[in-house]
Amino acid sequence: DTEVTQTPKHLVMGMTNKKSLKCEQHMGHRAMYWYKQKAKKPPELMFVYSYEKLSINESVPSRFSPECPNSSLLNLHLHALQPEDSALYLCASSSPGTHYGYTFGSGTRLTVV
Amino acid sequence: AQRVTQPEKLLSVFKGAPVELKCNYSYSGSPELFWYVQYSRQRLQLLLRHISRESIKGFTADLNKGETSFHLKKPFAQEEDSAMYYCALNDSFGNEKLTFGTGTRLTIIP
Repeated sequence: DTEVTQTPKHLVMGMTNKKSLKCEQHMGHRAMYWYKQKAKKPPELMFVYSYEKLSINESVPSRFSPECPNSSLLNLHLHALQPEDSALYLCASSSPGTHYGYTFGSGTRLTVV
Repeated sequence: AQRVTQPEKLLSVFKGAPVELKCNYSYSGSPELFWYVQYSRQRLQLLLRHISRESIKGFTADLNKGETSFHLKKPFAQEEDSAMYYCALNDSFGNEKLTFGTGTRLTIIP
């Protein structure tokens, strides 16, 4: 398995809802990432998990809460989001220090209404 | 802080003509540089790594530390090369932080 799988592919949520995005990989990668991509913009790093520990938080608002239950799974819990949080959320994984680059998932298209 | 600059938002090239997508970077250490490509309705995928010095789909990219550049080149453009191309820099101190340039949308004119 050489893919990163993200679910759901699309999500519409209200500003008072709580939802979660899920990401899974079985390539043995020990670093996993959440990126946010707005239309016609490059991906922006949100969080990095390295060996299941949060190593980078790019000053993301607390309404986004990441979780890494094990080396294959990465979640992003969402609560009280704003309409401006609507974007494509990308998950990626890599093997730290191996220079092989990142493998990206196809993303979750989130719309906050 | 690391920074990646792609000066061209849009680039149109005739089929069969040479292609060059520019990328410049700013980084205090020894950089790891990549090119990623996103074809229409497909996920972002790795195209090239500077460390491997490989040619993928006819594309090559050479790291020029003197000019802090990592331009992507192909001698003869093909229609299937139309896509969004991102240059990206990884923090080489083990922090695993990939920073993207703003991207160049390449359109190949038949």
